[in-house]
Amino acid sequence: GQQLNQSPQSMFIQEGEDVSMNCTSSSIFNTWLWYKQEPGEGPVLLIALYKAGELTSNGRLTAQFGITRKDSFLNISASIPSDVGIYFCAGLRPGGGNKLTFGTGTQLKVEL
Amino acid sequence: GAGVSQSPSNKVTEKGKDVELRCDPISGHTALYWYRQSLGQGLEFLIYFQGNSAPDKSGLPSDRFSAERTGGSVSTLTIQRTQQEDSAVYLCASSSQASNQPQHFGDGTRLSIL
Repeated sequence: GQQLNQSPQSMFIQEGEDVSMNCTSSSIFNTWLWYKQEPGEGPVLLIALYKAGELTSNGRLTAQFGITRKDSFLNISASIPSDVGIYFCAGLRPGGGNKLTFGTGTQLKVEL
Repeated sequence: GAGVSQSPSNKVTEKGKDVELRCDPISGHTALYWYRQSLGQGLEFLIYFQGNSAPDKSGLPSDRFSAERTGGSVSTLTIQRTQQEDSAVYLCASSSQASNQPQHFGDGTRLSIL
């Protein structure tokens, strides 16, 4: 099935560093969601975005809904070891019902 | 617990057998979704149910796949005559209503076809 372009595919960073990842599409979305998935578990919702230009924070996480409605980014500040996991963006298309289209994921590894 | 519950957590079966996967959504959630996650990939939409409306089956990969939702709550995803390419993690999610509400996921069923 169709997936969003998510980058980078993986990141290996030092504890305390800031992290940035993004999702892009050739199509417009009217909702963007960011999830984190750890091994053996389902994705856990981090942030939901509903309006173009919206900037939302959840603790050390900040995400933005791009003005063009075709992209979104997620920033993690001052990373810690428990940030390790796979981060997925997901979006809802206009007229697409409630079917989420997922990004390909960004695997984050944090070095102590 | 209060989250989406899926069972079994793991299932190993022989090629050609039928399997049933169960999902118990968050209490009060009217929308229920099934997704499939193949190794190292993102999630792929399969089917979703909203209240008493006809389900959106547009993501089901073949007629060997079907799903039911009885009584507006528990759902069962059935795969008939399983093939090795059906091996994946099958994830269920629910949301409070269909329109733009975030979907909350269970931990999935890891299906392995020998």
